[in-house]
Amino acid sequence: AQTVTQSQPEMSVQEAETVTLSCTYDTSESDYYLFWYKQPPSRQMILVIRQEAYKQQNATENRFSVNFQKAAKSFSLKISDSQLGDAAMYFCGTIQGAQKLVFGQGTRLTINP
Amino acid sequence: DSGVTQTPKHLITATGQRVTLRCSPRSGDLSVYWYQQSLDQGLQFLIHYYNGEERAKGNILERFSAQQFPDLHSELNLSSLELGDSALYFCASSAGQGAWSFFGQGTRLTVV
Repeated sequence: AQTVTQSQPEMSVQEAETVTLSCTYDTSESDYYLFWYKQPPSRQMILVIRQEAYKQQNATENRFSVNFQKAAKSFSLKISDSQLGDAAMYFCGTIQGAQKLVFGQGTRLTINP
Repeated sequence: DSGVTQTPKHLITATGQRVTLRCSPRSGDLSVYWYQQSLDQGLQFLIHYYNGEERAKGNILERFSAQQFPDLHSELNLSSLELGDSALYFCASSAGQGAWSFFGQGTRLTVV
């Protein structure tokens, strides 16, 4: 079974600083995809970034980047130059074989002005 | 705007009742996923349909059922509702394997 673990229930960071959110996953598949979603207070699920497991290069989307360590089954999210609008719940997830997207329990990120 | 439309946005109903939640995926997306998010919890996968066929089931109760119609919209039916069914129900759609999954704004169901 696929499992995703986010070991940090809450994180906080000063505005303009950098923060890293951790995620580990378990899979027996060789081909899979990893995602980070953001859920602000509006409860909308917003896709932040994704990574194909077969790609060695870490994905980057503006201030958001990932550190993908395939052997360690680790997929952390780095947010640079944190902004107040980044405050949200962040969910890590994985999908295999177009079956289902399995999420971790989330990390609540607070941005301190 | 993700392009995924869910209706209604809010629903309040009594225990024992039945409701239907509707989802229209993004244009061209064949996959529809349903998720349940209880208060301050993560998202629990319920069911996945691809082009009208059920592809995967998660922790979906027998009181719940879903279907995807030829026009690709999907409905989630919840019956014999209990207080514990109160949650935010999300629909997401994607074009296929590994593709981005886009979420609707969710339907907030309150059972009283």
